Amino acid sequence: NAGVTQTPKFRVLKTGQSMTLLCAQDMNHEYMYWYRQDPGMGLRLIHYSVGEGTTAKGEVPDGYNVSRLKKQNFLLGLESAAPSQTSVYFCASSYSLVGEVTDTQYFGPGTRLTVL
Amino acid sequence: SQQGEEDPQALSIQEGENATMNCSYKTSINNLQWYRQNSGRGLVHLILIRSNEREKHSGRLRVTLDTSKKSSSLLITASRAADTASYFCATDPSKAPYKYIFGTGTRLKVLA
Repeated sequence: NAGVTQTPKFRVLKTGQSMTLLCAQDMNHEYMYWYRQDPGMGLRLIHYSVGEGTTAKGEVPDGYNVSRLKKQNFLLGLESAAPSQTSVYFCASSYSLVGEVTDTQYFGPGTRLTVL
Repeated sequence: SQQGEEDPQALSIQEGENATMNCSYKTSINNLQWYRQNSGRGLVHLILIRSNEREKHSGRLRVTLDTSKKSSSLLITASRAADTASYFCATDPSKAPYKYIFGTGTRLKVLA
């Protein structure tokens, strides 16, 4: 199993450009998450999904959109990139048992995004 | 705002010594997890402790949880150079509108 994979690994954008980050997991997990990590800030949840076709806002959703058309994929879109979105983006997934709220998260290797 | 705050922000110890990191949080939780992040890598899950548990062990790791004080500690015994990493606590607030809030992390450096 590959676990959680992210593409691309690195990307440089100009202000105003758009892009999509792809996250894929092969563990049949229901829950998927997108985080950003900035120096000294820890990880902050952008959006998450509790199942195919569902998405919800996290702590810092502004400027991002997500889609979960297939259970194994979770896409993060930036419609008009801004320098404030320069960050490392991590995707994660987890398997939640019926009756449990959440469970261990498995993280991808990250995407380093720079917006000039 | 960050739910979890780790303390200290940075810790430097000699190989073989024990390392203790603390995490404080603000609201009631379902569970608390500790993760490790090596430089330039994703996070790796270490241990999960549920709100009705007080202590948990996994190999050289010992985690305690005090829900009355809203705090947790991670103890790494007999540290090794390979333990050098950042350590994060993550809480699953039982009443928050979103999942998992991570702290800012403790950077641990183990000197050989």
